[in-house]
Amino acid sequence: EPEVTQTPSHQVTQMGQEVILRCVPISNHLYFYWYRQILGQKVEFLVSFYNNEISEKSEIFDDQFSVERPDGSNFTLKIRSTKLEDSAMYFCASRPGTASQYFGPGTRLTVL
Amino acid sequence: KQEVTQIPAALSVPEGENLVLNCSFTDSAIYNLQWFRQDPGKGLTSLLLIQSSQREQTSGRLNASLDKSSGRSTLYIAASQPGDSATYLCAVLPSTGANSKLTFGKGITLSVRP
Repeated sequence: EPEVTQTPSHQVTQMGQEVILRCVPISNHLYFYWYRQILGQKVEFLVSFYNNEISEKSEIFDDQFSVERPDGSNFTLKIRSTKLEDSAMYFCASRPGTASQYFGPGTRLTVL
Repeated sequence: KQEVTQIPAALSVPEGENLVLNCSFTDSAIYNLQWFRQDPGKGLTSLLLIQSSQREQTSGRLNASLDKSSGRSTLYIAASQPGDSATYLCAVLPSTGANSKLTFGKGITLSVRP
């Protein structure tokens, strides 16, 4: 069964550094999402992406964040200058035309 | 603004017990509701999805019900097993449509004792 994949599984970075989190959505899916989960907190929405543009973004998704679909398979989340509070598990999700979102295994980002 | 609540935060039961996990949401204008399972440090596995027009969905030992008007959903687990130990999250999609974002509850951490 096709699944969403994410790399790396764990990323450790220094505060102020840029990080790129990568996702490969399921191949025939059209809609893409990033969510994050700070340890012990709820999963919260960051951004949705459709037809090569952002559909919706949360107030968390400020100018430090950007998303890109650089080719037909990858979907990336970039954090330009990481802060300690960016430490979280980041989940990518995708869906076809129907409403069910399929989640990847997540990337654990640790900012030191 | 939609709020999703899951109480209690944690639950411990002996193996074999039937149990019910509760989820409540403040805005009944939903498109669908999903239940997920999350193992420690891992991703989200979708268990059941209920459309707003449906009352329940079943998969194996799991049964999820939805009462949209009262803003409640329950996940029923029959004959619980130690392998069911995990965190169970519910999430709602608003009626603005399938292109919207999911709003999650904080989850219920279930421990099934052998």
